[in-house]
Amino acid sequence: GAGVSQSPSNKVTEKGKDVELRCDPISGHTALYWYRQRLGQGLEFLIYFQGNSAPDKSGLPSDRFSAERTGESVSTLTIQRTQQEDSAVYLCASTLGGIQYFGAGTRLSVL
Amino acid sequence: GIQVEQSPPDLILQEGANSTLRCNFSDSVNNLQWFHQNPWGQLINLFYIPSGTKQNGRLSATTVATERYSLLYISSSQTTDSGVYFCAVCIQGGSEKLVFGKGTKLTVNP
Repeated sequence: GAGVSQSPSNKVTEKGKDVELRCDPISGHTALYWYRQRLGQGLEFLIYFQGNSAPDKSGLPSDRFSAERTGESVSTLTIQRTQQEDSAVYLCASTLGGIQYFGAGTRLSVL
Repeated sequence: GIQVEQSPPDLILQEGANSTLRCNFSDSVNNLQWFHQNPWGQLINLFYIPSGTKQNGRLSATTVATERYSLLYISSSQTTDSGVYFCAVCIQGGSEKLVFGKGTKLTVNP
């Protein structure tokens, strides 16, 4: 597609449930990033994938968070046993030549 | 880790006014980007500018890497310029991850 695509655009879940968020990067972009943005705040780095290298997971806030990416394609961010504090917009970006292109995000609400 | 500070945190302008947004960073960087997040949450890359000056229409940016700051200039502001402007950097010799500042919230009134 023409841009970074994220799905779902909105997700409402109950506390304790698992959720899976999806990111389709721009074709040909080798690097992919996940960020979290809480209401009125800046972006928090979560995880970074670059080609077949080991991902940089240094931003994942707890072991309830994990992410996968197959090759240079789709990535999924999984949050297990969701907590209310996980409510935020989760943004994905893919990069080319160092420039980041963002998806529209998934707004996660944990009730 | 690297600190990225943006100022001012909030800015209110009348349409047609000019403004300067500042980004200070605490370490040498090899990547600096300015982003605009519109009121609907979409983030758009404005400039990739680890050093030097670039211009795109009414917007321009200057990064003085040796003094660890970058400036974003908005001239003849329009209501559509409203939103949050973020500066983000990568540490030179470090990971490829971008560290974002907290942003400047710009409101342009008609």
